[in-house]
Amino acid sequence: ILNVEQSPQSLHVQEGDSTNFTCSFPSSNFYALHWYRWETAKSPEALFVMTLNGDEKKKGRISATLNTKEGYSYLYIKGSQPEDSATYLCAGLPSGGYQKVTFGIGTKLQVIP
Amino acid sequence: NAGVTQTPKFQVLKTGQSMTLQCAQDMNHEYMSWYRQDPGMGLRLIHYSVGAGITDQGEVPNGYNVSRSTTEDFPLRLLSAAPSQTSVYFCASRSTGFKREQYFGPGTRLTVT
Repeated sequence: ILNVEQSPQSLHVQEGDSTNFTCSFPSSNFYALHWYRWETAKSPEALFVMTLNGDEKKKGRISATLNTKEGYSYLYIKGSQPEDSATYLCAGLPSGGYQKVTFGIGTKLQVIP
Repeated sequence: NAGVTQTPKFQVLKTGQSMTLQCAQDMNHEYMSWYRQDPGMGLRLIHYSVGAGITDQGEVPNGYNVSRSTTEDFPLRLLSAAPSQTSVYFCASRSTGFKREQYFGPGTRLTVT
């Protein structure tokens, strides 16, 4: 199992602000990392799959980076909008057992209009 | 495509009763999994399957059984419900390649009294 930790647990930002949050994991048994967006009363939806050190992925105003050597991934949201309000989850897939996906507790983002 | 479907959406059980949560996907995904989501905790893996006839335990398997007789279906059985199993249950599926994200069902909210 690849234990992942996310910080902060919650975040309030003003509309238009840019923000970022962190997913950290032990680098020794890393295989892949997924980011998901989870809106209230819905199901998690995948944002990014990160596998290689130095990976950078982008989808609209949201981007993510991966550093497997130091064991972290950052998720960035540029110019936050109220519709970005959601919980952002990261999930770790360990080497040698990458089917056992472990989710972090999530970062709950609220964007204030 | 319907994606991942789950039934029922809501269920109330008495302690000691048994029931089956249904999960089906129409994307021909090899990998399917069950998670539970509890307040203050991340999604926790209960059981997973990498193909028909192959299942394995996740992080919190006690009290649950699974089977995978077809690619499409992955039911989760509660053998003797306990109040500690009150939770929201999510089924997910993906292709087995590690670069593939998971697709989640809408969830089943289970209350055990």
